[in-house]
Amino acid sequence: NAGVTQTPKFQVLKTGQSMTLQCAQDMNHEYMSWYRQDPGMGLRLIHYSVGAGITDQGEVPNGYNVSRSTTEDFPLRLLSAAPSQTSVYFCASRGAGANVLTFGAGSRLTVL
Amino acid sequence: DQQVKQNSPSLSVQEGRISILNCDYTNSMFDYFLWYKKYPAEGPTFLISISSIKDKNEDGRFTVFLNKSAKHLSLHIVPSQPGDSAVYFCAASGGDYKLSFGAGTTVTVRA
Repeated sequence: NAGVTQTPKFQVLKTGQSMTLQCAQDMNHEYMSWYRQDPGMGLRLIHYSVGAGITDQGEVPNGYNVSRSTTEDFPLRLLSAAPSQTSVYFCASRGAGANVLTFGAGSRLTVL
Repeated sequence: DQQVKQNSPSLSVQEGRISILNCDYTNSMFDYFLWYKKYPAEGPTFLISISSIKDKNEDGRFTVFLNKSAKHLSLHIVPSQPGDSAVYFCAASGGDYKLSFGAGTTVTVRA
C-alpha cells in the first residue's frame, strides 16, 4: 500500500542545472498535483493534472514543466534551476469526485 | 494574494487543554474546507473536513466550526496531547480540482 511515492527525497543542484522530481501513485487516482512549501507561504500549487494527457498551471508555474503520459506518474521538471526554487516539493493525488488529497513524503531541493 | 489565511504562525498549549486554530478565507466560491496535519520530514495528512452546508463537524478530539458569513473556520482539539504537536494547514476548495492552503500554524503541546 505505497500511496504516493516521491523520489528523490533530497537533491542539491547548481544554478542552471536541470532535473526531474518523480511522483507515482498506485491508487488509480485521476487527479495529481505538485505543491511547493516555503516558510510563511504554506503550500502553493505549481501544476496539476485531471487525467492522462491533461495538465494545467497552478498558482506558481514559472520555471517548471509537467507531463502526464500515464495515470500513475506525474513528473515535475526544472529546466534551469534557480536559487528561488529552493523549497520542499510535495506531490498529491485524489480520486474523481473526492476532495481529500493524499500527499507524498516530499522532496527537499536546494539550488546553490 | 493568499485566499486562505492563518494569521497565527504558532500556538503553545498545555497538555490536556484545548487548542484552537483559526483560518480565514476571502473567496466566497469556496464550499469545502479541510485541515491537514504535518509532522517534520513527512507529507501533510488529512485530519478533518467540513462542507459549506454544515457549520460543525466532529471527529473524536477534533471539531471544525465554519462561520460562512464571517468567512472563518476554526479547529478545536480537546484535549490536546503531545502527539498533536505538528504544523496544521487550513485548505479550501471551490468545486474545481484545486485546493488553496494557508501558511500553517505550528502547534506545540507542553507537558
